[in-house]
Amino acid sequence: KNEVEQSPQNLTAQEGEFITINCSYSVGISALHWLQQHPGGGIVSLFMLSSGKKKHGRLIATINIQEKHSSLHITASHPRDSAVYICAVRKTSYDKVIFGPGTSLSVIP
Amino acid sequence: EAGVVQSPRYKIIEKKQPVAFWCNPISGHNTLYWYRQNLGQGPELLIRYENEEAVDDSQLPKDRFSAERLKGVDSTLKIQPAELGDSAVYLCASSLERTGTGSTYEQYFGPGTRLTVT
Repeated sequence: KNEVEQSPQNLTAQEGEFITINCSYSVGISALHWLQQHPGGGIVSLFMLSSGKKKHGRLIATINIQEKHSSLHITASHPRDSAVYICAVRKTSYDKVIFGPGTSLSVIP
Repeated sequence: EAGVVQSPRYKIIEKKQPVAFWCNPISGHNTLYWYRQNLGQGPELLIRYENEEAVDDSQLPKDRFSAERLKGVDSTLKIQPAELGDSAVYLCASSLERTGTGSTYEQYFGPGTRLTVT
């Protein structure tokens, strides 16, 4: 079993919809990252969080340390949000980042 | 401020040929990572440097892959000889970190090099 899992694997939404992408992990962590990767390969860090909730524009990230679960929400989705969203965790035992498989989001006008 | 720079952006080579990728991290970042990302998957770590020291190269296939970061700034990743299965995007990332503090710092990624081995 992978240490970091994401769901769904693929997601298609209509413009304006509220979107949720989930991440669950099985190891102790010091922090969790949400990353965005557009076609062409570039990766951008959206959030780094270790507890609670963070908000940036239309993006909201939450984490529940006890349940080993995080969610990324996109409000009022837009076609430019179409990308792969990757969850990554840094383990507490090792100084190493483990990446999830990514969720491919397509927002249709 | 310039981000992480990688070159080339794309490379097509025949199998058994050598190939090299170059990365220049964000100025002042002491930690540099090389990742490989296969299609439809998340990145996987190949090697991590703290300054010029490789502190984690457990995932680097050492029979054909090598890396160096001689002055603790830019880095080169080499594959020799390349195999068909090496086709992937090779990502470089950097961060400013102090190990042992328990703190976590953000990684900044370069645009990647897309390698196609034919």
